[in-house]
Amino acid sequence: SQQGEEDPQALSIQEGENATMNCSYKTSINNLQWYRQNSGRGLVHLILIRSNEREKHSGRLRVTLDTSKKSSSLLITASRAADTASYFCATPRGGDTDKLIFGTGTRLQVFP
Amino acid sequence: EAGVVQSPRYKIIEKKQPVAFWCNPISGHNTLYWYRQNLGQGPELLIRYENEEAVDDSQLPKDRFSAERLKGVDSTLKIQPAELGDSAVYLCASSTGTGDEKLFFGSGTQLSVL
Repeated sequence: SQQGEEDPQALSIQEGENATMNCSYKTSINNLQWYRQNSGRGLVHLILIRSNEREKHSGRLRVTLDTSKKSSSLLITASRAADTASYFCATPRGGDTDKLIFGTGTRLQVFP
Repeated sequence: EAGVVQSPRYKIIEKKQPVAFWCNPISGHNTLYWYRQNLGQGPELLIRYENEEAVDDSQLPKDRFSAERLKGVDSTLKIQPAELGDSAVYLCASSTGTGDEKLFFGSGTQLSVL
């Protein structure tokens, strides 16, 4: 079963625009991760945010976490065509940090 | 440093045939995962190994799926017999298992059952 759900399911933007995708989850967590998956490839870890953090940055990525709403957002600023991929949030199930459960994903298309 | 290696990259079989997937994790990674990803969905955990021990196989359909991780390094996932609904991408991932929760994924095996 999927723990998280991303919103929107698909997003199309032009290069240079910002892309925001959201993740909602069901149970209490101690951390949340975001991964990227290019077409036909495996997933690549982007960023991890812990439950005591509200915001985290990594290059053009900004992640927020609201544990009261059980939601997270991933913002990609100044998007590039190379950012075209699917993005997944992932949370540990049942407090087991090694049991990572993935959401349904947001498919991002960035047009040059 | 080599990443997680999976083979084959693609596999096409007829239903009721057996199939096997192989994974070589990153050297030194104690934890190994097998995920299944259906088209348009996120990966779903099938089994997790800590060294050679399967510590979570609750999502593995044991009537037809089996897995092993001999000597706590390479792993093999087998389906026998395969069904049409098994068509998916099978992903292997590994992590250090030392509290660093980040997973490293292989490129996956895309299985088509005809």
